[in-house]
Amino acid sequence: EAGVTQSPRYAVLQEGQAVSFWCDPISGHDTLYWYQQPRDQGPQLLVYFRDEAVIDNSQLPSDRFSAVRPKGTNSTLKIQSAKQGDTATYLCASSFKDTEVFFGKGTRLTVV
Amino acid sequence: GEKVEQHESTLSVREGDSAVINCTYTDTASSYFPWYKQEAGKSLHFVIDIRSNVDRKQSQRLTVLLDKKAKRFSLHITATQPEDSAIYFCAASRGNSAGNKLTFGIGTRVLVRP
Repeated sequence: EAGVTQSPRYAVLQEGQAVSFWCDPISGHDTLYWYQQPRDQGPQLLVYFRDEAVIDNSQLPSDRFSAVRPKGTNSTLKIQSAKQGDTATYLCASSFKDTEVFFGKGTRLTVV
Repeated sequence: GEKVEQHESTLSVREGDSAVINCTYTDTASSYFPWYKQEAGKSLHFVIDIRSNVDRKQSQRLTVLLDKKAKRFSLHITATQPEDSAIYFCAASRGNSAGNKLTFGIGTRVLVRP
């Protein structure tokens, strides 16, 4: 069974540039999560979906970050006008309801 | 919101000894407590979890203990091996039908010395 797939694996941007991250969850998983993991810290939830609906986006900086999951399968996280403080690894994860959460390999973003 | 504190930032043990990592949480409604392992340059890998209807769960060399009264849970690794060296994260969630909104600790770096 394929795990959670993310792309790209790495991204390097200058401040002010935009970037999109893509995630394909495990087949059959109805819940999809985006986490941000700064270096040497634990992952912090940005947003999560149940099917196509946003359940919680309270930690998503809404002025520059957006996330969608239009058909309840794949998802895209976009950062408009990146800042150096956005430098982190962005992890996508999925689960079936409240069962075990599986993580993808992440996208390591560097903003210079 | 929930806060999870992981009490040991680093842990160095001799191969074959035991390692214990302790976490505390603040939300009395939390009911699901997983542990993840992260090796250098890799993503998080699930290792074991416990739900609030039990106070102990064992899987091979790993045991998780949960003390709901103290809002504390711990991971015990027995007979440590070099491949146990990694960063371990504890997490907590209310774990309801809307999914598992996990709040993570800061991580404990475990080094198993030969």
